[in-house]
Parts: sequence; structure tokens; C-alpha cells
Amino acid sequence: SQTIHQWPATLVQPVGSPLSLECTVEGTSNPNLYWYRQAAGRGLQLLFYSVGIGQISSEVPQNLSASRPQDRQFILSSKKLLLSDSGFYLCAWNRGLRLSNQPQHFGDGTRLSIL
Amino acid sequence: SQQGEEDPQALSIQEGENATMNCSYKTSINNLQWYRQNSGRGLVHLILIRSNEREKHSGRLRVTLDTSKKSSSLLITASRAADTASYFCATDVMDSSYKLIFGSGTRLLVRP
Repeated sequence: SQTIHQWPATLVQPVGSPLSLECTVEGTSNPNLYWYRQAAGRGLQLLFYSVGIGQISSEVPQNLSASRPQDRQFILSSKKLLLSDSGFYLCAWNRGLRLSNQPQHFGDGTRLSIL
Repeated sequence: SQQGEEDPQALSIQEGENATMNCSYKTSINNLQWYRQNSGRGLVHLILIRSNEREKHSGRLRVTLDTSKKSSSLLITASRAADTASYFCATDVMDSSYKLIFGSGTRLLVRP
């Protein structure tokens, strides 16, 4: 069966520090991968998605970047964190040529607090 | 920008009652999905309904889709305290990406 791992679960970082969040998927190949951010009590904002190794689509201009160095690994990074980067970050995956034709499967998220 | 918007934003019911949540969207879709999120956790997929379908069932869940009104509803029958969670609809954007856009959710509280 397929599983998705996301870590760390919580992270407290000072303003201006770098960031690296990692997400890995097991039990499937060539998944579509997604990074979302969720503000408290709100819906999900799509940050990045990837349909293959090295293929990254950015949805909103921001202080973050994403990379997909391996088929089932998706990394969210920042060189210098801002206070506005605080939030709940979720990684997800699904299959299919059309991103929306199959359910997305989510990790348990990383709660990022910037001090 | 938001594609789907849930209504109500919050709902409190007694255990055993039915819970109905609504989702409205703005542009044509291929499909609509409903997800559940327990506090502090990731989302869990509940149901996917395609644009040519009008109703789908899964256990105590019933989803309807009215493409003429650009709206969907999620009905949870005989609710349980364990159904307490936030529920989100997600619709796809019919551009070249077909990515999902999530609404802001309905927070459901089921009182024992």
C-alpha cells in the first residue's frame, strides 16, 4: 500500500533562517506531488506541484521554492524565512495525467512557527 | 482565488442528527471532491463526484452535484461525535493543469 511521510511535525525557526521540509511517498511510482499551506481556520493554498522529476510548477509568488530530486521525494525550501511563512504545510500525492481526476492523499503536515 | 466556498462556516449538531454542508463554485468543473480534516492532521479524501454524476453514496455520506447551479452538498446521516472535523470541497480548474482548488471549509461539531 502507498504511504506518505512528511517531517518534521513541528518546527520553530527564527526569522531569516533557512528552511527545508521533506516529503516522501512509498508504494507508487511517478506520482503527482503537491505542497500546500494552510492558515489557521482556513482552506488550503496550493504552493507548488510537480508531475515528474525536476518539473516544478509554482502557483504563487513567494519566499519559498520546491525541488523534486527523486521520483518520490518533494522538498520545500527557503533561504531566509519571513514571519509570513508561518503556517501548516501539507504535502500530498496522487496519480493520473490530469491532476484532478484522482483523490489526493495527504501527509500529516508540518506546523511551522517563525519567531 | 477561491473556486469553491463552503456554507455554513461552522455547524454544531447533536449526535444522531444529520449534518448538511454546501459548496458553491464559480466556473465549470470536471469533478468535485470532498475531504475531511481532523484538527492538526492532514486531509482525508471522502468522495469524488464527476460532472456527469448527480449523486454518490459512501456509507453514511451522500454527495449531490448540481452543475446548473454550480453547487454540491455533503450529507452525513446519523452523525457521531467522531464525525467532528472540518470538511472541505475541492474543485478542479479547467485549464491545462486541472489542479484542485480547495474551499475554506465547514467546521462540524457533533455534541455527544
